[in-house]
Amino acid sequence: DAGITQSPRYKITETGRQVTLMCHQTWSHSYMFWYRQDLGHGLRLIYYSAAADITDKGEVPDGYVVSRSKTENFPLTLESATRSQTSVYFCASNDGRSPNEKLFFGSGTQLSVL
Amino acid sequence: AQSVSQHNHHVILSEAASLELGCNYSYGGTVNLFWYVQYPGQHLQLLLKYFSGDPLVKGIKGFEAEFIKSKFSFNLRKPSVQWSDTAEYFCAASGSARQLTFGSGTQLTVLP
Repeated sequence: DAGITQSPRYKITETGRQVTLMCHQTWSHSYMFWYRQDLGHGLRLIYYSAAADITDKGEVPDGYVVSRSKTENFPLTLESATRSQTSVYFCASNDGRSPNEKLFFGSGTQLSVL
Repeated sequence: AQSVSQHNHHVILSEAASLELGCNYSYGGTVNLFWYVQYPGQHLQLLLKYFSGDPLVKGIKGFEAEFIKSKFSFNLRKPSVQWSDTAEYFCAASGSARQLTFGSGTQLTVLP
């Protein structure tokens, strides 16, 4: 089931560089989410989007920027990467028709900031 | 503030042993509860969910969870684990908003 895809799968970058992680879903889900997964913290919500051109901050938004010009895409940009942003990033979506229905997750992007 | 706590960070069991993973939540108002599983190298998948009704919820692969409102708990159970259950398990909760709050996860290792 490749309904939600993330790219790249792995990324190594340097401190201060801009990095964009891509997320694409084929279900026309209205809601999309970005989480980061870190040891001891579980998954923490970075940003989410209820529809195209509607985005909102999650628990840990600092240092990240998102956009949602099209329903199917929800890129996450690190404007100036820091070592603390080394993490595994997961994109997720749901259709929003049923409140709090389950999320569908992508396979993740493992980002290392040197 | 909304929070989800998983107190077991790493659990090691032998095959056929019984499993119980703890999850406690702190939420105001109506809460929806989930357990997600992440097998090695894979993305998160929903195991089971509780919205309302019967507090004992059955999920996939023989897992179940019990919602105990008085204890703010939603513990995950399985009577007999298999080696293939080795994974990381995340408890999650959401209220009226659509944001899910995840616990820190429990790594389960099942020894053959």
